[in-house]
Amino acid sequence: DVKVTQSSRYLVKRTGEKVFLECVQDMDHENMFWYRQDPGLGLRLIYFSYDVKMKEKGDIPEGYSVSREKKERFSLILESASTNQTSMYLCASSFSPSGKQETQYFGPGTRLLVL
Amino acid sequence: DQQVKQNSPSLSVQEGRISILNCDYTNSMFDYFLWYKKYPAEGPTFLISISSIKDKNEDGRFTVFLNKSAKHLSLHIVPSQPGDSAVYFCAASAIGFGNEKLTFGTGTRLTIIP
Repeated sequence: DVKVTQSSRYLVKRTGEKVFLECVQDMDHENMFWYRQDPGLGLRLIYFSYDVKMKEKGDIPEGYSVSREKKERFSLILESASTNQTSMYLCASSFSPSGKQETQYFGPGTRLLVL
Repeated sequence: DQQVKQNSPSLSVQEGRISILNCDYTNSMFDYFLWYKKYPAEGPTFLISISSIKDKNEDGRFTVFLNKSAKHLSLHIVPSQPGDSAVYFCAASAIGFGNEKLTFGTGTRLTIIP
């Protein structure tokens, strides 16, 4: 059974703080993703990674960075948190052999409030 | 630019009846489509998928239909059960073009009325 865990379920931070969101998957998946979910906007891709130390920008990367030092761990970093980054953050992973789509498995989410 | 659209933010259906959730897309490169289900305070879970080489895929109570010419897909749930109450997201990818990213719709909140 695939398990994707996120370090916190709820976080409250102040504007300007540096925020780290951690995600760990236990299925040796190559691909990992960070999304944010906002009402009326669905899930929007922030960053993703195909392999260790590799990263690609998603649709809304501004204000975020990521780190993937180990295959099982993918971190999302808010360098200087702002109130418009208040959101639900979802991590996902997938195994993706060449030319074939595989399901993305999601963690439970981190609800971040920036004051 | 919303490439995957779910035009109904919410839907209420009587228990035992059929639920039909709709999704439209604009990018003709999309060739793989998925439906995810999300309960509050949980991550989305995969429900069912369909490749563009098919027009129908069935899994128990869930059937997904794809109409490529109309760029439209739908999810049918029959019979609907109270546990089906959740937010449903459709998603699309262009895997045949080397792009494994998923593009999600905005979601439809389904409420099953007992």
